[in-house]
Parts: sequence; C-alpha cells; structure tokens
Amino acid sequence: GEDVEQSLFLSVREGDSSVINCTYTDSSSTYLYWYKQEPGAGLQLLTYIFSNMDMKQDQRLTVLLNKKDKHLSLRIADTQTGDSAIYFCAEKEDYKLSFGAGTTVTVRA
Amino acid sequence: GAGVSQTPSNKVTEKGKYVELRCDPISGHTALYWYRQSLGQGPEFLIYFQGTGAADDSGLPNDRFFAVRPEGSVSTLKIQRTERGDSAVYLCASSLWSSNTGELFFGEGSRLTVL
Repeated sequence: GEDVEQSLFLSVREGDSSVINCTYTDSSSTYLYWYKQEPGAGLQLLTYIFSNMDMKQDQRLTVLLNKKDKHLSLRIADTQTGDSAIYFCAEKEDYKLSFGAGTTVTVRA
Repeated sequence: GAGVSQTPSNKVTEKGKYVELRCDPISGHTALYWYRQSLGQGPEFLIYFQGTGAADDSGLPNDRFFAVRPEGSVSTLKIQRTERGDSAVYLCASSLWSSNTGELFFGEGSRLTVL
C-alpha cells in the first residue's frame, strides 16, 4: 500500500548482514510485521513487533522500531542463500494489514 | 488441512468470462481476508469477513467483484466480466479473531490470468 514504503532491492553477500528499511504512516498502528515471500509461495510471517517496543530479537532476526520517525527495520545476521526472497513490511490498521511493495533481497556467493 | 488452502492455483480465462476462486481457511479461524497482489506490488486489501458476514468490503475495486462465506468457513471470490487488468495473484488469509497480534496466515494464492 502507498502508506507503507520500502526500498525495492537489496543485494548482499552471503555471510554479511542484511538491513531492510520501511517507513509507515499510521501512528496508531499497534503491531508492525515482516513477511517473507519466496518465488511461487504465499507470505510467511517472519516476525512482528508491538508498537511500545523499540527492539525485538529472534535468532538471526532483529527488528528495530523508531516510532517517532515511523521507521521500521529488519536486520538479518549471517545472511544465507535461503534468505533470498521478497520481504514485506506491514502495519496493522484495526483488523487489517497494509503492506509495502516489498524489498527483493538477493544473496550472492 | 494445516494451512490455508486456495484453489485453483492457476486460472487462465478470456476477457469477459466469469471466475470463482475458493479459499479454505485454517479450521477455527473466524476472520478471513482476500488480498490482491499485482506484479511487483505488495498485497492490497479487498475484503474482510468475520464469521459469515463481510465486515469490510471497501477494497473491492468495483461491482464486478463479490465474495461470500455462507457458513463461516470456506469463502469464494467471484469476478464477473473479467478484464485484463484483473490479472493478479489473489491471496486469502485467515486469523483467530481473538489473536492480539493479528497474525494473518496466508495461502499460496490463486494466479489469475485474463487474456
């Protein structure tokens, strides 16, 4: 959706960290999400963060939330070839999610 | 099944034809959503069901689109007089109404191609 913006492409070397950024507009969003979509597959929820948190870590994934700037980021440590996919940021508005256009992450050897 | 199931996975039709896309949500999930994903875009909201009723159909692009969920489980998205611009992947998702996190579980989608 046009209310959630992401950079379109990211290329990263295997083993390096990836950082995907997102900005959103609805300051009343209670939850923010990162979904992963592999070719020909549906969306898989990777992680989410509640709006009163600044950071959430889940294994190789770290989510940072700057509520003042309405900025969300996803860091993937030790990026692997299996991490190549499209990553969508989404904000929750009442009962539904609004998605960004997605960031295509390409992992090169 | 364990996940959200959508059929058909692929549908090719001609302009002007009628199309039905089916979604079988996760058992026990009362909330059901339809999204549309065009090439290179993120999913866009179409309609939301809570039980049998459409609680929000504000995302349906025009009156050629209609969706039903008569028994509060399986849903069908119906598109009349299809146009080439309707070509997209139609995603269905379900969730527990009581889920605080609002996590949506998505199916793999139905890819519609209108020639």
